[in-house]
Amino acid sequence: AQSVTQPDIHITVSEGASLELRCNYSYGATPYLFWYVQSPGQGLQLLLKYFSGDTLVQGIKGFEAEFKRSQSSFNLRKPSVHWSDAAEYFCAVGASEYGNKLVFGAGTILRVKS
Amino acid sequence: GAGVSQSPSNKVTEKGKDVELRCDPISGHTALYWYRQSLGQGLEFLIYFQGNSAPDKSGLPSDRFSAERTGGSVSTLTIQRTQQEDSAVYLCASSPSGAGAWNEQFFGPGTRLTVL
Repeated sequence: AQSVTQPDIHITVSEGASLELRCNYSYGATPYLFWYVQSPGQGLQLLLKYFSGDTLVQGIKGFEAEFKRSQSSFNLRKPSVHWSDAAEYFCAVGASEYGNKLVFGAGTILRVKS
Repeated sequence: GAGVSQSPSNKVTEKGKDVELRCDPISGHTALYWYRQSLGQGLEFLIYFQGNSAPDKSGLPSDRFSAERTGGSVSTLTIQRTQQEDSAVYLCASSPSGAGAWNEQFFGPGTRLTVL
């Protein structure tokens, strides 16, 4: 079965610093990969997704993610964090063989220091 | 246009009572999903609807949980004889077209359920 690991429960970065949130997945083939963000009291918003092709994916709000098959990773990055980026970030995996549902990681809470 | 809406936004109930949670998907979206987000947990899949049918109910944790969808639109998640471990945020999502794990799922704000 597919599984998703986000090893960092909390991350704190200074405003203007770079950010990398880690995500590792377990699946035999290339799955569909997603990053969602959840701000307090809000639903989840899709930041970016990867299905195939170029392994570096650009998303909204200045985020990008890189798919690395050899490492089974799909890490999220941002060159310069803004205070408004403070939120919880979820990596998710989908695969047609497992139906239409998404399997989510436990999430990483990002705190931004001013 | 309007996004996915859920009601109520908060629900406090006593152990043993039944609760109904409602989801209004984005108009025209044929696929609808329910997830549960518990404290310290990620999001757990509960059930998936395609139209009014539920081809995947594999995530429903017990027979106290049921869901239906009518008119290919509104869905209701019912929890009977609630237990304290049912306390969580219940999220609904919808996606356009049909089957496909690649389809973006649009999430509602959730219903926070607290069982006392």
